[in-house]
Amino acid sequence: AQSVSQHNHHVILSEAASLELGCNYSYGGTVNLFWYVQYPGQHLQLLLKYFSGDPLVKGIKGFEAEFIKSKFSFNLRKPSVQWSDTAEYFCAVNGGGGADGLTFGKGTHLIIQP
Amino acid sequence: GAGVSQSPSNKVTEKGKDVELRCDPISGHTALYWYRQSLGQGLEFLIYFQGNSAPDKSGLPSDRFSAERTGGSVSTLTIQRTQQEDSAVYLCASSPPPADWTQYFGPGTRLTVL
Repeated sequence: AQSVSQHNHHVILSEAASLELGCNYSYGGTVNLFWYVQYPGQHLQLLLKYFSGDPLVKGIKGFEAEFIKSKFSFNLRKPSVQWSDTAEYFCAVNGGGGADGLTFGKGTHLIIQP
Repeated sequence: GAGVSQSPSNKVTEKGKDVELRCDPISGHTALYWYRQSLGQGLEFLIYFQGNSAPDKSGLPSDRFSAERTGGSVSTLTIQRTQQEDSAVYLCASSPPPADWTQYFGPGTRLTVL
């Protein structure tokens, strides 16, 4: 069975700091990888995704993530965070077939202090 | 365009009652997914539909849970004889035809079982 591990459950940063959220997955085959964000009071929104090709993917709002196959990792990064980035961030994976449900990590609660 | 919609947004029920949750996917999306989000378990995948059929129902927590989709569009998730542990936010997502397996989420139904 596949699983996703997010190492940081709570992260507090000041504005303009750099961000890196860790995500490791366990799955034996080809994977599709996602980062979703849930702003306070809002529903899950897609930040970025990786299906194949360039392992460095860019998403919305200045976020990017790098797929490192040898490390089974898909870490999320942003060079300079803003107060509006305060949210819950979820890493997710599904199998190569694509149609399967997503397996989510437990989430990282990010708080940006102005 | 319109996103995934779910109704009701909130549902409070008494233990032992049946509840029905509805999901309207994005028009033209062939795949539809149900998830449950709770404090203890995080985001759990329940079931998915490709068209009107659900290839795998093993993610449903118990035989009190059932789901159907008609006309390749609207889906309902039914929970019979609700228990307090069923309290959670139930999320629906839809995905366009291949080859984009990105899942777009609705706002969820918050179910509280008293």
